[in-house]
Amino acid sequence: GAVVSQHPSWVICKSGTSVKIECRSLDFQATTMFWYRQFPKQSLMLMATSNEGSKATYEQGVEKDKFLINHASLTLSTLTVTSAHPEDSSFYICSASATSGRAGEQFFGPGTRLTVL
Amino acid sequence: ILNVEQSPQSLHVQEGDSTNFTCSFPSSNFYALHWYRWETAKSPEALFVMTLNGDEKKKGRISATLNTKEGYSYLYIKGSQPEDSATYLCAPRHTDKLIFGTGTRLQVFP
Repeated sequence: GAVVSQHPSWVICKSGTSVKIECRSLDFQATTMFWYRQFPKQSLMLMATSNEGSKATYEQGVEKDKFLINHASLTLSTLTVTSAHPEDSSFYICSASATSGRAGEQFFGPGTRLTVL
Repeated sequence: ILNVEQSPQSLHVQEGDSTNFTCSFPSSNFYALHWYRWETAKSPEALFVMTLNGDEKKKGRISATLNTKEGYSYLYIKGSQPEDSATYLCAPRHTDKLIFGTGTRLQVFP
C-alpha cells in the first residue's frame, strides 16, 4: 500500500516552454501533497505544500507564478514549470500524506528529472 | 533554516559487515524524526518515524535510535547485504514540514 506514482520520469525541453509533472496517489487518498526539488549533491528542498481544493503554500524563495501547483482531487497533484530555463533543470519529487495513518508520514513518488536546454 | 547533517556522506562496506551512520539536527521544536531508504531510480521508502527521546525502532536487520535532547539519531545495519546499498535520508519534522539531510550513500560489496 501507499504507492505514489510520478509522470514523466524524465523530460527534456527547450528554454521558454512549459512542463507539467503529475503526482498520483494510487491506493490512498492524499489530502496533502508536497513538492520537492533536489539539485546535485544537495538535499531535498521543499518547494510547496498543496491541500486538495485549496491554493498551494509556497516556501520562501519559490516563485508561485513560475511553479504552478494544482491539487484538484484527492489522488492527483500537478506541478507546471512555466517558461522553463536552464537554471530550472533539477530533480523534482512529490510526496503525499494520507488522510488516515500516522500524522506526518509522507509517501514519495520516484521523481522527475527535468533538463532544460 | 534548520541545519540537518548526516555523516558520513558515503560508506563502502563488505557484505556481512555491520555499519552505522548519524543524523544531527537542532533539538529545539522537535516533533518527529523520519528515516528513509532511497534506492536509485526508485521512490524513497519510509523506514522509521520516531518521536520520543530514547525511542528505538527495528525493522529486520536495520534499527535506529533517537536522542531528542542532544539532537541526533543513529541508524544501524547489522550484517550488511548488497541489497542494502542505497542512500539513507533522515528528516526531522519541523511543524508540518520535513527538513532533509543530504543523506548517507551506502554501498555494500559482495
